[in-house]
Amino acid sequence: DQQVKQNSPSLSVQEGRISILNCDYTNSMFDYFLWYKKYPAEGPTFLISISSIKDKNEDGRFTVFLNKSAKHLSLHIVPSQPGDSAVYFCAASSNNAGNMLTFGGGTRLMVKP
Amino acid sequence: KAGVTQTPRYLIKTRGQQVTLSCSPISGHRSVSWYQQTPGQGLQFLFEYFSETQRNKGNFPGRFSGRQFSNSRSEMNVSTLELGDSALYLCASSPTGVLYGYTFGSGTRLTVV
Repeated sequence: DQQVKQNSPSLSVQEGRISILNCDYTNSMFDYFLWYKKYPAEGPTFLISISSIKDKNEDGRFTVFLNKSAKHLSLHIVPSQPGDSAVYFCAASSNNAGNMLTFGGGTRLMVKP
Repeated sequence: KAGVTQTPRYLIKTRGQQVTLSCSPISGHRSVSWYQQTPGQGLQFLFEYFSETQRNKGNFPGRFSGRQFSNSRSEMNVSTLELGDSALYLCASSPTGVLYGYTFGSGTRLTVV
């Protein structure tokens, strides 16, 4: 039973345009949501997070939106740059689960120059 | 500031053997978590240690075990290796609170033949 799903395995975007990566979850106990970026042969890198008490969090070019009623979150990257090409994972955790994260399967983003 | 260090980077073992992987967290980080990444299952939580105590455990058989030392360094052990244990094993450390995000190491690539 996949509690966190990223339904698009890949996404291709032109440099300078917006990239929108989506994530759905089923567990209503999840309180925290995070996005990670991963390059080949490296560990995932933390990008941005959001608590369930918020619906939006921004950090530079990255914005995460949370729709609790739809159990959906998305990551917007504006403007997209070729260096953003990587695999993006969303992850979720609940308050009583310590630092345990449940990850989605990842979306490979390709930003074309 | 040194990152999370995992050793060794690559390992080849024979089915039935056992293996020990090591993780040195960022200085001051007391939480260490381990994840297994495979192409089919994605990133799956193995266990988390905080101040030498296992705080959470994922859904893995008892052949997977771990420990944390007083200096926060952690090891994980897999006994009676199976072909399906071939994976990238990632260690992540965190000061406190999942919202700050983990810092992952580059992982240990284990191949079981």
